[in-house]
Amino acid sequence: EPEVTQTPSHQVTQMGQEVILRCVPISNHLYFYWYRQILGQKVEFLVSFYNNEISEKSEIFDDQFSVERPDGSNFTLKIRSTKLEDSAMYFCASSEGGGPYEQYFGPGTRLTVT
Amino acid sequence: AQKITQTQPGMFVQEKEAVTLDCTYDTSDPSYGLFWYKQPSSGEMIFLIYQGSYDQQNATEGRYSLNFQKARKSANLVISASQLGDSAMYFCAMREPSYSSASKIIFGSGTRLSIRP
Repeated sequence: EPEVTQTPSHQVTQMGQEVILRCVPISNHLYFYWYRQILGQKVEFLVSFYNNEISEKSEIFDDQFSVERPDGSNFTLKIRSTKLEDSAMYFCASSEGGGPYEQYFGPGTRLTVT
Repeated sequence: AQKITQTQPGMFVQEKEAVTLDCTYDTSDPSYGLFWYKQPSSGEMIFLIYQGSYDQQNATEGRYSLNFQKARKSANLVISASQLGDSAMYFCAMREPSYSSASKIIFGSGTRLSIRP
């Protein structure tokens, strides 16, 4: 069964460093998303991406965040200068359509900023 | 305004019993989708079940069923014959349509379900 994959599973970085989180969505999906979950809290939407551009972003997704689809398979989230409060689980998701379709989540990348 | 409300932060259930996890939602759009996800201690988000707002019948997937009461704006998850492996965090979520872009999912705060042997 096709699935969303994410690498790395765990990333430890120092405050102020840049990190890139990688995702490979399901191959025939056209809509891509990033969510994050701070430990013990609910899952929060960060950004959606379609047709090589951002469709929607939350207030969390400020100038230090960026997304890219560098080739036909990868979807990346870059955090330019990490802060302690960026420590969270980051989930990538993809869906076939933008409407009432299921979003399939990857296993997540746990980012720890020290 | 909070869109998804899960009022049970934690529940304990005896193995093999049925369990209902509550979820209420708020939206003014007639077209929306409702989801339940399971998050075990390992952290991944596992899609369980989906209900569209125009679906006439309640969704079922194996031991999972969604008790959809549109007028009450509730979408409770029912797990029949619970198993030890059902112990996890369960999130109710909603997706409103966005006709010009990819619509996001909004999550509730979750219910931690613990199954007792």
